[in-house]
Amino acid sequence: AIVLNQSPSSIIASQGEKVTITCRASSSISSNYLHWYQQKPGAFPKLVIYSTSYRASGVPSRFSGSGSGTSYSFTISRVEAEDVATYYCQQGSSNPFTFGSGTKLEIK
Amino acid sequence: QVQLEESGPGLMQPSETLSLTCTVSGFSLTSNGVGWVRQPLGKGLVWMGTIWAGGSINYNSAVQSRLSISRDTSKSQVFLKMNSLQPEDTGTYYCARSTRGNGIFDYWGQGVMVTVSS
Repeated sequence: AIVLNQSPSSIIASQGEKVTITCRASSSISSNYLHWYQQKPGAFPKLVIYSTSYRASGVPSRFSGSGSGTSYSFTISRVEAEDVATYYCQQGSSNPFTFGSGTKLEIK
Repeated sequence: QVQLEESGPGLMQPSETLSLTCTVSGFSLTSNGVGWVRQPLGKGLVWMGTIWAGGSINYNSAVQSRLSISRDTSKSQVFLKMNSLQPEDTGTYYCARSTRGNGIFDYWGQGVMVTVSS
């Protein structure tokens, strides 16, 4: 199974700050198969970025993604209060599909 | 619009068989896959399996021996059955629409909480 190592496990940021989350895969993944989800407290996950760098419908432009091979990143250019959530990377390249362990974003 | 809704019992006893239903609307099960994802309380997401548009099924080997996924396309429903439940199966179970091309889960249900306890 492809293991996704996500870091950091938690971030405390100020509003307006830039935050970056890293997702490192145990094996190389095509960029088409690496996705990011946002899960707000008490809610279901929501697709934010698909295929490394494409924003899902309705997702603000402050969210972006990049990467290739085994190293991927997710960035919020200017954090807002509504971005408080846990963020997960996920690979759909090989069975079993796997998720990173999550990064919890909190606001100072 | 695309919607998915899980339903099933909230409380199960150890060794029982869990049966969950995912009722979808706004898309056809013959055009999109539906996957099941579990989230233990306070923990991360774990993919359990997906039934694809053509009817083929992929399971996570970690639960494959206990898991069965099926569907009724006429009713727009996908089913999950998992036997030999244990307390560690406690968590929220989500169904989500999936595209085979890249394994995206683009729409999710609200989830159903299942507690396994004697």
